[in-house]
Amino acid sequence: QVQLVQSGGEVKKPGASVKVSCKASGYTFINYGLSWVRQAPGQGLEWMGWISGYTGNTNSAQKFQGRVTMTTDTSTSTAYMELRSLRSDDTAVYYCARRDGGTYSYFDYWGQGTLVTVSS
Amino acid sequence: SHVLTQTPSVSVAPGKTARITCGGNNIGSKSVHWYHQKPGQAPVLVIYYDSDRPSGIPERFSGSNSGNTATLTISRVEAGDEADYYCQVWDSSSDHPVFGTGTKVTVL
Repeated sequence: QVQLVQSGGEVKKPGASVKVSCKASGYTFINYGLSWVRQAPGQGLEWMGWISGYTGNTNSAQKFQGRVTMTTDTSTSTAYMELRSLRSDDTAVYYCARRDGGTYSYFDYWGQGTLVTVSS
Repeated sequence: SHVLTQTPSVSVAPGKTARITCGGNNIGSKSVHWYHQKPGQAPVLVIYYDSDRPSGIPERFSGSNSGNTATLTISRVEAGDEADYYCQVWDSSSDHPVFGTGTKVTVL
């Protein structure tokens, strides 16, 4: 069965960086893209960006451009999302989600989420 | 870019029908997907391509989409349906998704 297992929670100070991993199993990694979606406490879902499992090409929301880096390691079927220059409003649960559906894509499997807390 | 507006909250009695709407300019021309999210859990896909159900999602969940409104309908509501619900479309011009604002469904 498809599973996306994320790394554990992190506590960071403002200005630091965080790198979250998402290990995929149960499907052919390079056949799907993975998106990163975050959710601040009590708020809705916010898409950050996605990475192609096949080409490694990325596309990120304008809000995060220059501050987020998404990568994959196809040898371990793992995706990574690094967010730099953390601020208190980056405190959120970060999810990876598998993209399916082509032109009208949706997210059919999600990781369990990683809580990133930014606090001095 | 697309803006998807949802009613913040819907309350429904057990056994009744809940209708959750997602409004957007000409949303009927796009494919709409729906997720539910229970407290402390990751979102779960419940409807894709307007009205298709992933395996494991009960037939009580159905969807429709026309004009400026997409609708998720939950029939014979159960206590376990209490969750936040989000609609989503894919903006092909920018190649990124747009999520609705979310609806909290409360089962009375």
